[in-house]
Amino acid sequence: EDKVVQSPLSLVVHEGDTVTLNCSYEVTNFRSLLWYKQEKKAPTFLFMLTSSGIEKKSGRLSSILDKKELFSILNITATQTGDSAVYLCAPYQRDDKIIFGKGTRLHILP
Amino acid sequence: GAGVSQSPSNKVTEKGKDVELRCDPISGHTALYWYRQSLGQGLEFLIYFQGNSAPDKSGLPSDRFSAERTGGSVSTLTIQRTQQEDSAVYLCASSFGGGGAGTQYFGPGTRLTVL
Repeated sequence: EDKVVQSPLSLVVHEGDTVTLNCSYEVTNFRSLLWYKQEKKAPTFLFMLTSSGIEKKSGRLSSILDKKELFSILNITATQTGDSAVYLCAPYQRDDKIIFGKGTRLHILP
Repeated sequence: GAGVSQSPSNKVTEKGKDVELRCDPISGHTALYWYRQSLGQGLEFLIYFQGNSAPDKSGLPSDRFSAERTGGSVSTLTIQRTQQEDSAVYLCASSFGGGGAGTQYFGPGTRLTVL
């Protein structure tokens, strides 16, 4: 059975802190891994990771994939209150199916 | 339109009634997904359409749930004899699929409340 586990489920930090969000997965026909940020209703796309060991960066956010250990992390440095959201990890399979983890709820205190 | 649209944005219904939720994907996207998100929970996969292939219905929670996609574009998710546990936000997403980029674009969702 396909499985996606994100940790921690919830995280509260102060503005300026650095956070690391974890995602482990076991899925068939893995193609790539997607990260999303969900603030209200609809998730917004952050990263797609296809190759192991290659870090993707976007401003203060970065992410890396380990296809051997079936693991990905999302880092946010110098956090801001606007980073408060649920961060979703989603393995993307070769038949175009996408399975979401339960997400990490991040809350940044001012 | 430029993005995925869903209607209605909110739906309140009585237990036992049927509801229909609509999704208009981005033009040209061959893949269409339906997800459900209950309060405080992650996204639960419901059903997936890819082009003219048979849909992947493996996530539908019961036979009260069904979905169709007409002409490879608009999709309707139907819930028959709604129950209170069906209350959730129903999200639709589309992507190029079929070996494309895989990036999903989500609609704003329909918040369903079953009284």
